[in-house]
Amino acid sequence: SQTIHQWPATLVQPVGSPLSLECTVEGTSNPNLYWYRQAAGRGLQLLFYSVGIGQISSEVPQNLSASRPQDRQFILSSKKLLLSDSGFYLCASAGRTGELFFGEGSRLTVL
Amino acid sequence: AQKITQTQPGMFVQEKEAVTLDCTYDTSDPSYGLFWYKQPSSGEMIFLIYQGSYDQQNATEGRYSLNFQKARKSANLVISASQLGDSAMYFCAMRGGGSSYDKVIFGPGTSLSVIP
Repeated sequence: SQTIHQWPATLVQPVGSPLSLECTVEGTSNPNLYWYRQAAGRGLQLLFYSVGIGQISSEVPQNLSASRPQDRQFILSSKKLLLSDSGFYLCASAGRTGELFFGEGSRLTVL
Repeated sequence: AQKITQTQPGMFVQEKEAVTLDCTYDTSDPSYGLFWYKQPSSGEMIFLIYQGSYDQQNATEGRYSLNFQKARKSANLVISASQLGDSAMYFCAMRGGGSSYDKVIFGPGTSLSVIP
C-alpha cells in the first residue's frame, strides 16, 4: 500500500509570511494527489487536486497555490498568509478504486 | 454540483450495540464512488469502506457495512458490535463521475462516542 510523507507536522507563522507544505508519496506511480484543509471540528475542504505532473485543479479561490514538480511530490504554497489560513492541512493520494491514503497532516497556526 | 450531507453532528452508542451513521449525496453523474473514513482524535484519516455506484451488493468490511440505497442517494455506514475504539469522527466522501471523476469531496462528519 501507499505511504504518504507530509511535513512539517506543525508550524506557527506570522500573518503575511510565506508558506510551503510538502508531500511525497511512496508505493505507487502517477497517483492522483489532493490537498485538503480541515478547520477545528469540521469536515475536509478540498483545496487542490492533481492528476499528473504540472496539472493542478483549484477548487477554492484563495491565496494558496499548489504545484506538482514530480510524479510523487505535491507542494502547497502561499506568498502571504492570512489569519483564515490557519487549519489542519492533509495531503492524500488515491488508490486503485479512488480510496485516499492520507499523510499525518500539517497543523498551521497563523498569528 | 456534487454535495455530501451528514445530518448527525454527534451520535452516542452503547458498547457492543450496532449504530448507523447517515450519509446522503447529490450528483448527476451515473458513475461515482462512495467512501467512509474514520478520524480518531489523533487526526489520522483511515479508509473504512468503498461502494461503487454500479455495485450490485452492499459493501462489507469486517464490522463495517454500507447500506447503499441508490434511488434515495443514501450510503449509510453501519458499525456492528461497537467498541470503545470506534469513538471518532466519521466522514462520508464521494468521487464523482464524468468531468468530476478525479474530484473527491467530503461531508461535514459525524462524531461517534461509544459508551462503556
